[in-house]
Amino acid sequence: NAGVTQTPKFQVLKTGQSMTLQCAQDMNHNSMYWYRQDPGMGLRLIYYSASEGTTDKGEVPNGYNVSRLNKREFSLRLESAAPSQTSVYFCASTLEGPGELFFGEGSRLTVL
Amino acid sequence: GENVEQHPSTLSVQEGDSAVIKCTYSDSASNYFPWYKQELGKGSQLIIDIRSNVGEKKDQRIAVTLNKTAKHFSLHITETQPEDSAVYFCAAKSPVGGADGLTFGKGTHLIIQP
Repeated sequence: NAGVTQTPKFQVLKTGQSMTLQCAQDMNHNSMYWYRQDPGMGLRLIYYSASEGTTDKGEVPNGYNVSRLNKREFSLRLESAAPSQTSVYFCASTLEGPGELFFGEGSRLTVL
Repeated sequence: GENVEQHPSTLSVQEGDSAVIKCTYSDSASNYFPWYKQELGKGSQLIIDIRSNVGEKKDQRIAVTLNKTAKHFSLHITETQPEDSAVYFCAAKSPVGGADGLTFGKGTHLIIQP
């Protein structure tokens, strides 16, 4: 059972480049989330999707876009990367909130 | 929105001793309080949670206590072992507001000294 799978695990970008982080879950969960984790800041919610076809902003959405492609997949896009977006990104899912969140292993992004 | 404060940021204890991590929250309507453990290079995993209608919950060496009046909750780990070394996050879920996610504390790096 794979759980929550994120790709890529590591990425280095130059300022202004774009990229998409992919996330897929195989647990038939309804809700999916993208968090960023910075040193001393904990986990901060970027965007979430309560169900297929819906997305909403979290605490720190600026500079990001998301797509809930289907029930399994939730992608995070950086259209024009900035050094402030250097972080570790975690995708998570839950059957329904509030409940146990299942996290992916993270994607470490560095923007030069 | 909800604001969660977590202390200490780093905690070092001798193997076999107990460890306590404390969190406070701001929204008195918050009703769900989970604790997550993050091992190096991995995603976080739920280790225990408590809902607002309960004051204490135990699971083997781990316990969580909730004081709704004071708006704080704590994680207690007894008989600590080397595998308890990790970063621990508390979180709170407020029923008010648009976001369906949790508000996390900033994390506590727990170090178990052999």
